[in-house]
Amino acid sequence: NAGVTQTPKFQVLKTGQSMTLQCAQDMNHEYMSWYRQDPGMGLRLIHYSVGAGITDQGEVPNGYNVSRSTTEDFPLRLLSAAPSQTSVYFCASSWRQAADTQYFGPGTRLTVL
Amino acid sequence: RKEVEQDPGPFNVPEGATVAFNCTYSNSASQSFFWYRQDCRKEPKLLMSVYSSGNEDGRFTAQLNRASQYISLLIRDSKLSDSATYLCVVNLNTGGFKTIFGAGTRLFVKA
Repeated sequence: NAGVTQTPKFQVLKTGQSMTLQCAQDMNHEYMSWYRQDPGMGLRLIHYSVGAGITDQGEVPNGYNVSRSTTEDFPLRLLSAAPSQTSVYFCASSWRQAADTQYFGPGTRLTVL
Repeated sequence: RKEVEQDPGPFNVPEGATVAFNCTYSNSASQSFFWYRQDCRKEPKLLMSVYSSGNEDGRFTAQLNRASQYISLLIRDSKLSDSATYLCVVNLNTGGFKTIFGAGTRLFVKA
């Protein structure tokens, strides 16, 4: 089991560029989510999914899109990158809902210039 | 007021010391509680769940006080390898589940 994988590990973008952060899990988890982590703040939920074909917004969804076409994959798209999106992004999955233990990917460190 | 608040620290303790972290939460709809550990530049990993009756896992003891809306983590006989950031996590059920992370408490254990 690879667990939760994320690519890329590091990325530098220019303002206005778009990109997709990839997340995949091989544990057959229904629940997947994306968080961002900024210094001095807790992880904040961007978007989440309770199963294939179902997504919903979290606390800070603006500027991000997600889709969940399969159980395994949950990509996060930045539509038009802004310096305020400089952060560390973590993908997580759990068996059912967020009430269960969440397993995190290694993170993507994104810098927007 | 933040929904989950933790003392950011850092806590600097010698090896062998006992250290305690507290975390307060503001929403009475909070249903489940966890402590996660995060090493520098790594992802968070579950340390332990927190149950109403309190629970222990080796050198770690977690307690929940629903009336006062706080949870605690006690680490006994601190090891150098315990140096990390400890995240308090609360799950709310407000129609759908919502997970709130505290900003974390940093612990440095020195020889």
